[in-house]
Amino acid sequence: DAGITQSPRYKITETGRQVTLMCHQTWSHSYMFWYRQDLGHGLRLIYYSAAADITDKGEVPDGYVVSRSKTENFPLTLESATRSQTSVYFCASRDGGNTIYFGEGSWLTVV
Amino acid sequence: GENVEQHPSTLSVQEGDSAVIKCTYSDSASNYFPWYKQELGKRPQLIIDIRSNVGEKKDQRIAVTLNKTAKHFSLHITETQPEDSAVYFCAASRNNAGKSTFGDGTTLTVKP
Repeated sequence: DAGITQSPRYKITETGRQVTLMCHQTWSHSYMFWYRQDLGHGLRLIYYSAAADITDKGEVPDGYVVSRSKTENFPLTLESATRSQTSVYFCASRDGGNTIYFGEGSWLTVV
Repeated sequence: GENVEQHPSTLSVQEGDSAVIKCTYSDSASNYFPWYKQELGKRPQLIIDIRSNVGEKKDQRIAVTLNKTAKHFSLHITETQPEDSAVYFCAASRNNAGKSTFGDGTTLTVKP
């Protein structure tokens, strides 16, 4: 699905650095989400957004910041990366029928 | 808020057998129940969904059943094939609600 894209796909960073994961969707879906998925675990919601300039915390928001100045973009920033934030990050958007479409994922390693 | 429990966490079946994964939910107002399949190293993708106005839905070898009274829904895969091996996630949400709640996933292995 070219409709939702993430970048970078793979990133290695050092502890304490700021990292931004980008997410772009071409469908004009109102809702967008960020999930993290740790090895062998499920999907945990970090933040979500109902529309431009409206964001809300999910289950595990600590250490992350989001913004949504435009409907199509929903970047996720790790302000000071920690090893516990090593994970696969999935951006997603939701259509009017509640179906969620996931991006391809961003593999982040914090060393 | 909504709570979704998914069982089993792992399931191993012989090729050709059936597989059943069950989820229970807590919010009686939830009315949309999708199932996602995630192959190794890939993104989760929707394979089937059901809304609360129906009790069962089928698509070739996969089916989903919903029991609103008991607040549980199940994924049924018949005639399993090795390519069915993946992690399966259930989810529950209300129409136009902010977020979906996912189960923890079931790792299905189909042995040839």
